[in-house]
Amino acid sequence: GEDVEQSLFLSVREGDSSVINCTYTDSSSTYLYWYKQEPGAGLQLLTYIFSNMDMKQDQRLTVLLNKKDKHLSLRIADTQTGDSAIYFCAEPNQGGKLIFGQGTELSVKP
Amino acid sequence: NAGVTQTPKFQVLKTGQSMTLQCAQDMNHEYMSWYRQDPGMGLRLIHYSVGAGITDQGEVPNGYNVSRSTTEDFPLRLLSAAPSQTSVYFCASSYSEFQYFGPGTRLLVL
Repeated sequence: GEDVEQSLFLSVREGDSSVINCTYTDSSSTYLYWYKQEPGAGLQLLTYIFSNMDMKQDQRLTVLLNKKDKHLSLRIADTQTGDSAIYFCAEPNQGGKLIFGQGTELSVKP
Repeated sequence: NAGVTQTPKFQVLKTGQSMTLQCAQDMNHEYMSWYRQDPGMGLRLIHYSVGAGITDQGEVPNGYNVSRSTTEDFPLRLLSAAPSQTSVYFCASSYSEFQYFGPGTRLLVL
């Protein structure tokens, strides 16, 4: 079945770049998503990428998609303490339902 | 627009008690879903609905019931709560490929 894998933790210093990685299994996905969950809150759609794109840039966020390796990454430039959150990678399965990774907890140290 | 709202925010139940988690959206979205979030496991789909009067099971439906009498509301019922149902529950609605999440309900079953 479909599976989405992420590492659980990432710690960076304020001002550094953060790179959160994700691998997925369903190569037929039209979109791939990144969601952000701040402490005690719900999930917010952070960004997404069409499957026919290799890269998408949105201000401090860069999404890279390697379809051959089924690898998705989210780079946050100039990471701030306000970026501390859990980041989820997600892809839709054959039935269109979202399959989420385990979430990567990003800790930003001053 | 209020978006997706959930009540209550917190709930403590004793084993065997029943309760209903409420979810409402004011965006006229046809698709609604319930997830549970547990540490290290990401979000898992409990039940979903593609429109009023239509519901179906997700990945982890056991112990939960849903109904969808209106487009706006999608309540989740626990008929006999068990400690294994201690979790954070998120409701989501979607239009096209993008899902919008509520703030969540934290449930503790003793």
